[in-house]
Amino acid sequence: DILMTQSPSSMSVSLGDTVSITCHASQGISSNIGWLQQKPGKSFKGLIYHGTNLEDGVPSRFSGSGSGADYSLTISSLESEDFADYYCVQYAQFPLTFGAGTKLELK
Amino acid sequence: EVQLQQSGPELVKPGASVKMSCKASGYTFTSYVMHWVKQKPGQGLEWIGYINPYNDGTKYNEKFKGKATLTSDKSSSTAYMELSSLTSEDSAVYYCARKGLLRWGQGTTLTVSS
Repeated sequence: DILMTQSPSSMSVSLGDTVSITCHASQGISSNIGWLQQKPGKSFKGLIYHGTNLEDGVPSRFSGSGSGADYSLTISSLESEDFADYYCVQYAQFPLTFGAGTKLELK
Repeated sequence: EVQLQQSGPELVKPGASVKMSCKASGYTFTSYVMHWVKQKPGQGLEWIGYINPYNDGTKYNEKFKGKATLTSDKSSSTAYMELSSLTSEDSAVYYCARKGLLRWGQGTTLTVSS
């Protein structure tokens, strides 16, 4: 199985900050990675697919980058609604596997 | 609008089985595979498998073979997951999610307890 190592596990940030969350895959995944958002007590929302593509309706302050085994989700100009948990997921190989998550907290 | 509406919370006894549902609307059900994901607090996210409603083809995580059975009903645009021989380890929130894991249901909470 492909191991997705996500970091950091948590971040204390302020409104307006720019943050980056990274995922390192145990092998190259050719941009077959998505990024998910989960707010407390809620379901998931897909933000990014295939490494860099923004899902419909997702604000442009979210962006994805990377190649090979290393990928990032960047959130620019953090807004209050962005404080949530974020996960990466790889779909290059079955079984699909997830990062352990990053919690964004208000500083 | 794409919506995935999952069935309500379940409380079942150890050793029993449970079948939960995921009703799709707002798109052509047979055009996208449906994934199922387990979320257990403190244990991260696990992919269970997917079903292709077009041909009922399935793909399972080896870990969930024998535990989960995925089916679908085109007439009602509903995907189902049955979990068998339940133990406390199966207590979790289970989600359905459309291809690409971009659109998710609200989750079904399963509690296994005597």
